[in-house]
Amino acid sequence: QVELQESGPGLVRPSETLSLTCTVSGDSIETRYWSWIRLVPGKGLEWIANSGDTGSANHNPSLAGRISTSLDTAKSLISLRLSSVSVADTAVYFCARIVRYSRSLWYFDLWGRGTLVTVSS
Amino acid sequence: SSELTQVPAVSVAVRQTVRITCQGDSLRSHYATWYQHKPGQAPILLIYGKNNRPSGIPDRFSGSSTGNTASLTISGSQAEDEADYYCGSRDTNDNHFLFGTGTHVTVL
Repeated sequence: QVELQESGPGLVRPSETLSLTCTVSGDSIETRYWSWIRLVPGKGLEWIANSGDTGSANHNPSLAGRISTSLDTAKSLISLRLSSVSVADTAVYFCARIVRYSRSLWYFDLWGRGTLVTVSS
Repeated sequence: SSELTQVPAVSVAVRQTVRITCQGDSLRSHYATWYQHKPGQAPILLIYGKNNRPSGIPDRFSGSSTGNTASLTISGSQAEDEADYYCGSRDTNDNHFLFGTGTHVTVL
């Protein structure tokens, strides 16, 4: 059974860098694609980035320049760093497994439960 | 980039049918996918592709699409179907993904 578990600091100060990790069990992070998604209060789901893909072309343009992602295959960890956070970055952050079935069909078939991040001074 | 628009909220009586729509330019060339989310839980994939359900998803959930509009239909709604529903698709910029604005379904 594949499971994803996000973890994070809970509270981050404005202008600081948010660091999140997602532990994957039951699957190989090397042979799959993974994404970060957030649920912004009052706004809904927002795709952030595809982890493991290089370049900003795979980041949400509204967050351009503030995102970096990485994979630690030895620890089966997926990481997200979001710099210069503001109150607008307060959200529940999810990691999810993305299936790139074809050029016209991508979908997220497995999600973690998410971790709440509050940006406040 | 594109947007996917959903009605913010709908209500349906138990055992009745409700249709949730999702509109956007990306749907003319990419399939919609549908997700159910309840507070504090992991979102669940309901529909992907033309009208495919992952294992374990009840057949009262179905999907359809025409032009720039995709629909999720819940036939014979149950109390446990009360949740937020989001559509999603690959963006017209092919490396990005879009989510709809979300629809809250209340089951009366």
